[in-house]
Amino acid sequence: DGGITQSPKYLFRKEGQNVTLSCEQNLNHDAMYWYRQDPGQGLRLIYYSQIVNDFQKGDIAEGYSVSREKKESFPLTVTSAQKNPTAFYLCASSIRTGDEQYFGPGTRLTVT
Amino acid sequence: KNQVEQSPQSLIILEGKNCTLQCNYTVSPFSNLRWYKQDTGRGPVSLTIMTFSENTKSNGRYTATLDADTKQSSLHITASQLSDSASYICVVRVDSNYQLIWGAGTKLIIKP
Repeated sequence: DGGITQSPKYLFRKEGQNVTLSCEQNLNHDAMYWYRQDPGQGLRLIYYSQIVNDFQKGDIAEGYSVSREKKESFPLTVTSAQKNPTAFYLCASSIRTGDEQYFGPGTRLTVT
Repeated sequence: KNQVEQSPQSLIILEGKNCTLQCNYTVSPFSNLRWYKQDTGRGPVSLTIMTFSENTKSNGRYTATLDADTKQSSLHITASQLSDSASYICVVRVDSNYQLIWGAGTKLIIKP
């Protein structure tokens, strides 16, 4: 998991509530990413950030929002607009976009 | 459409045996191919990376091969150990935009 931390490991929320997942890295990486992993599927990119104060939508950004106010931090908010939020969420970072990505331990979100 | 397909979906072998996992891709333009190991409930960890000109790369008991002509890669695990039980994910990077195309993974179970 390197120098990337995600918290909490497990998160439970009621439908209709927004929830924010934390991701912090001390690797001095410029680029950070959020992925969603569902059983039997490959990782899908939600958002990525190439540098502080910049972020771009990935393949499945609808219902999610992010911020990148500090180099070390890239929190992900799962909003009530996300239709199927229950999933395993992975944060990653790399020195620059396109370089090897290092992953955090993940957060398993369950919405009922 | 850029795609990465892995086979088999799951595999069970006895401890000490060898196994080979397959990855076929239709990604263009090709930049590189990585194999990741993902333990249950954890983030993926990179095992190997291969560029267009590399045919074979080893990392301990893991050996990856790449045939750029047929667009196939394999990951061979020698003398399997219980700790090899994990999902193995093949990821191909698109050269033009740094996009990563993730396979769904092969779930490997090593039985004593």
